[in-house]
Amino acid sequence: GAVVSQHPSWVICKSGTSVKIECRSLDFQATTMFWYRQFPKQSLMLMATSNEGSKATYEQGVEKDKFLINHASLTLSTLTVTSAHPEDSSFYICSAEWDREYNEQFFGPGTRLTVL
Amino acid sequence: AQSVTQLDSHVSVSEGTPVLLRCNYSSSYSPSLFWYVQHPNKGLQLLLKYTSAATLVKGINGFEAEFKKSETSFHLTKPSAHMSDAAEYFCVVSSDSNYQLIWGAGTKLIIKP
Repeated sequence: GAVVSQHPSWVICKSGTSVKIECRSLDFQATTMFWYRQFPKQSLMLMATSNEGSKATYEQGVEKDKFLINHASLTLSTLTVTSAHPEDSSFYICSAEWDREYNEQFFGPGTRLTVL
Repeated sequence: AQSVTQLDSHVSVSEGTPVLLRCNYSSSYSPSLFWYVQHPNKGLQLLLKYTSAATLVKGINGFEAEFKKSETSFHLTKPSAHMSDAAEYFCVVSSDSNYQLIWGAGTKLIIKP
């Protein structure tokens, strides 16, 4: 099956620093990748949608200057949380799809970010 | 606009008894519907999906769901619960316009020994 990896699986950083999270599709080329945020005991919230080689589309209320998304290749997307603060602590999940008409996303295992 | 309502935040059943996780949706068109499972410290896994083919959809691990248009429901069932089924389950509908996934709030399934 289609496998999506995320790195790191967890990260602890100091307030004010930046953190980069990688999302890779291991055995398929992802035309579109998605970044979600999940708060404790809550559902997933879509942050942004990215297509390879173009700018990401951010959902309303998500700061594009704070959450930088780069989709440099068909197998790699990165999310950089800039100048992180404790309120950015969360579980970040990426997903990837290879064909929009197929209408199925494959999810990474998630990254737990804790900002001290 | 599409929306998804999972009617129970928690469901507790005994091992070996049937499981029913309820989901209602609203959609302007014929929707695509999914059930995902999230085990602790693991990634989301697709259990099954409905895309306007057969209304009774069979998924992995013995789960199935029935699409009922008249009731706008897509409930998830399993005849006999296993301890390994304990997890968070999400009902999801695909947006009509841009294929984005719209997530329900989740139902935590608790299995009692």
